[in-house]
Amino acid sequence: EAGVAQSPRYKIIEKRQSVAFWCNPISGHATLYWYQQILGQGPKLLIQFQNNGVVDDSQLPKDRFSAERLKGVDSTLKIQPAKLEDSAVYLCASSSPGMYNEQFFGPGTRLTVL
Amino acid sequence: GNSVTQMEGPVTLSEEAFLTINCTYTATGYPSLFWYVQYPGEGLQLLLKATKADDKGSNKGFEATYRKETTSFHLEKGSVQVSDSAVYFCALSEETGGFKTIFGAGTRLFVKA
Repeated sequence: EAGVAQSPRYKIIEKRQSVAFWCNPISGHATLYWYQQILGQGPKLLIQFQNNGVVDDSQLPKDRFSAERLKGVDSTLKIQPAKLEDSAVYLCASSSPGMYNEQFFGPGTRLTVL
Repeated sequence: GNSVTQMEGPVTLSEEAFLTINCTYTATGYPSLFWYVQYPGEGLQLLLKATKADDKGSNKGFEATYRKETTSFHLEKGSVQVSDSAVYFCALSEETGGFKTIFGAGTRLFVKA
């Protein structure tokens, strides 16, 4: 079974630029999550999708962050414009109903904002 | 709101030593509890889980017991190896109109040969 795929693995941009991350979840997993993990901290949920609908985006900075999951499969997370404090690892995870919310994580995208 | 508190690291042990990483939680209902592990340069992966009180999760020699009376889910291993060096995250998940998972801050473990 293929795992959660993310790209790119690394990205360096300057502040005020825009950036996009892509995630392909495990086949059949209806729920998709984007997390922000700042160095030395645990993952913080940015947005959670159930199929292509948003379940929770309460911690997403909507003035600069956006995410979509148009066909209920792949997802894209965008930051525009980026700030220095957005430097972090962005993790994508997916889960399947009936598994007590066991989540499967991708390798993450390490973003550095200069 | 729900929260997870785990002991601060780093924890440094010699090979074959006994490991305990403390985790306590607050929750309004009856959450499922998890330990995830993150090896250098990788994403998180599930280590073990427990879905109800008194359940014991176990995997790869690691164990944790869901203690409702003390709201704890401490991670233990009897004899650590160098390959266990990683960051360990305690997490809870509760169904509140859709499952929501909250992670602790993580505890870094270094195991010396």
